[in-house]
Amino acid sequence: DVKVTQSSRYLVKRTGEKVFLECVQDMDHENMFWYRQDPGLGLRLIYFSYDVKMKEKGDIPEGYSVSREKKERFSLILESASTNQTSMYLCASSRGLGYTEAFFGQGTRLTVV
Amino acid sequence: GQQVMQIPQYQHVQEGEDFTTYCNSSTTLSNIQWYKQRPGGHPVFLIQLVKSGEVKKQKRLTFQFGEAKKNSSLHITATQTTDVGTYFCVLASGGSYIPTFGRGTSLIVHP
Repeated sequence: DVKVTQSSRYLVKRTGEKVFLECVQDMDHENMFWYRQDPGLGLRLIYFSYDVKMKEKGDIPEGYSVSREKKERFSLILESASTNQTSMYLCASSRGLGYTEAFFGQGTRLTVV
Repeated sequence: GQQVMQIPQYQHVQEGEDFTTYCNSSTTLSNIQWYKQRPGGHPVFLIQLVKSGEVKKQKRLTFQFGEAKKNSSLHITATQTTDVGTYFCVLASGGSYIPTFGRGTSLIVHP
C-alpha cells in the first residue's frame, strides 16, 4: 500500500515559535507538495519539490520554507509561527514529471496560540 | 496563476436525489483530475480525464471533460449517505505537473 505519513496529526504551538512539519513517502516519488487547507478556500499550494534539494514556491509561500534533503522526506518550516498560520496542512506526493495521481498524508492540524 | 472556478460551494440533497458539480478553467487544460475528501479525511484520487469530450463512469459517478477542455463535471446519480464529502477538481495545463485545486463542492446528503 502506498503511504504518505505526516509526523503529527495535531500540533499546538506558540506565536513566534519555529515549527517543523515532516512528511515521508514510501513510494519513491519524485514530486512532493505542501498545501494548506482552510474552510471555503480549498487547498492552496505552499511549496513543491520535484527532486532532492529542489524546491519551488507555490501560491502562498510567505512565512514558510521547505527542505528536501532526501527523496522520501519533505519538511515544511514555519520560521516564526503566527496565528494566521493556524490551519490544516496536507502533504502529497506524485510520480515523475507527468501529471499523475497525487497521494496525500492524513494532514496536520496546526493551532498557533 | 491558473484560475479554477468550482460550483456550487455547497449542495444539500435528500438521499436518492442526483448531484452535479462543475469546474471551469480560464485556460485550456491538458487533463483534469477529481478527488474526494471525506469529513475529517484527506483528498483521495477518483479519476483523471485527458481527452476532449471524454466521459468516464464509476458506478453511480459520471465524469465529463468538455469539448474545449476548459470545463468538467461530476454527476452522482441517486446519492447515498456514503457520498458525503467535498469533491475537488484538480487542474493541469501546459507543461505544469502541479496539482491546482478548485475550492471544492461540499455535498451533504440528508437521509
